[in-house]
Amino acid sequence: EPEVTQTPSHQVTQMGQEVILRCVPISNHLYFYWYRQILGQKVEFLVSFYNNEISEKSEIFDDQFSVERPDGSNFTLKIRSTKLEDSAMYFCASRAPRGSYNEQFFGPGTRLTVL
Amino acid sequence: GNSVTQMEGPVTLSEEAFLTINCTYTATGYPSLFWYVQYPGEGLQLLLKATKADDKGSNKGFEATYRKETTSFHLEKGSVQVSDSAVYFCALNEGGTSYGKLTFGQGTILTVHP
Repeated sequence: EPEVTQTPSHQVTQMGQEVILRCVPISNHLYFYWYRQILGQKVEFLVSFYNNEISEKSEIFDDQFSVERPDGSNFTLKIRSTKLEDSAMYFCASRAPRGSYNEQFFGPGTRLTVL
Repeated sequence: GNSVTQMEGPVTLSEEAFLTINCTYTATGYPSLFWYVQYPGEGLQLLLKATKADDKGSNKGFEATYRKETTSFHLEKGSVQVSDSAVYFCALNEGGTSYGKLTFGQGTILTVHP
């Protein structure tokens, strides 16, 4: 069964460093998402991506964040200069083309720890 | 804006007990409603869905009915098993939104003891 994969499973970084979180969505999906979950809090939407551009983003997704689909298979989230409060679990999700059942398929997450 | 509120957890039950996890929502338009489950060490998996009022979603013995009049989507299971221990998230996707952003509740931890 196709699945969304994410790497790494755990990333530890120093405050101020850049991190790139990687996701491989399901191959025929066209909509891509990043969510995050700070420990003990709810899952929050960060950004959606369609047709090689951002379609929607939340207030959390400021200039320190960027997304890219560099090669038609990977979908990345970059944080340019990490802060302590960026420590969270980051989930990637993908969805099939519009008009189909709108289930999002989630990856297992990357736990980001900023020291 | 949209929001989802779930009952506070954690919830601890004995095997074969009845489960209810309450979920209410606030949304404009006509949202689709979902329950996702997260087993330890894994990502979020869709458990069930309902896309319009009075729809009942069901899967693996779990059920939830979309109640527009009470803006609720409570999750129920008649007899829980130890393997149901997980975190359960209620979520909505605002109907008509092309890009499908999900708004989640805070999650409810369920622990089932033998």
